Amino acid sequence: AQKVTQAQTEISVVEKEDVTLDCVYETRDTTYYLFWYKQPPSGELVFLIRRNSFDEQNEISGRYSWNFQKSTSSFNFTITASQVVDSAVYFCALDNTDKLIFGTGTRLQVFP
Amino acid sequence: GAVVSQHPSRVICKSGTSVKIECRSLDFQATTMFWYRQFPKQSLMLMATSNEGSKATYEQGVEKDKFLINHASLTLSTLTVTSAHPEDSSFYICSAQTGDPSSTDTQYFGPGTRLTVL
Repeated sequence: AQKVTQAQTEISVVEKEDVTLDCVYETRDTTYYLFWYKQPPSGELVFLIRRNSFDEQNEISGRYSWNFQKSTSSFNFTITASQVVDSAVYFCALDNTDKLIFGTGTRLQVFP
Repeated sequence: GAVVSQHPSRVICKSGTSVKIECRSLDFQATTMFWYRQFPKQSLMLMATSNEGSKATYEQGVEKDKFLINHASLTLSTLTVTSAHPEDSSFYICSAQTGDPSSTDTQYFGPGTRLTVL
């Protein structure tokens, strides 16, 4: 069975703090893709990153970084020096058959 | 690049009427488009997968006759909610895949349509 678990329902931090959003996935397939999307209050899902199962290199993009650990089936997302504009719901998703399976999302609130 | 639009962004209708939602890929051709439904503070639920020129594939539990999907061109898919009822009120989001080999499985999402049925 395919499943994505985002155990953190809601996280609140103060601006400039670092925050890590957890994502754990389940799949029996060896080839799959993992994604992170951001959904601000406006509702649109913004694509952040796509990672294939054969690429375990961590990635950094500005204040964002991702840690992919196949051994623990985790694909965690860290925001460094958080800003108020980072406030949103963040979804982790798994794709192996052209269908995205979403986690339940983590609502991040960054206070000034 | 990879911009997806949806129209309308918000619609309010009376119970029993039909509502059409358009999803367009603005700067790329999308052979596959997807329709999702999202209830407040919940995750996205895939309703159907739409391929250009063929019938949509619906997920289990989604009524085909109630949620009509048409993917007439490589840049346009429409979702029609027929005989809408208050329980159909929700946030509907479409997405599209570019077909670009470097990002084949990446879905780019539209801004969503909030449907309220009175």
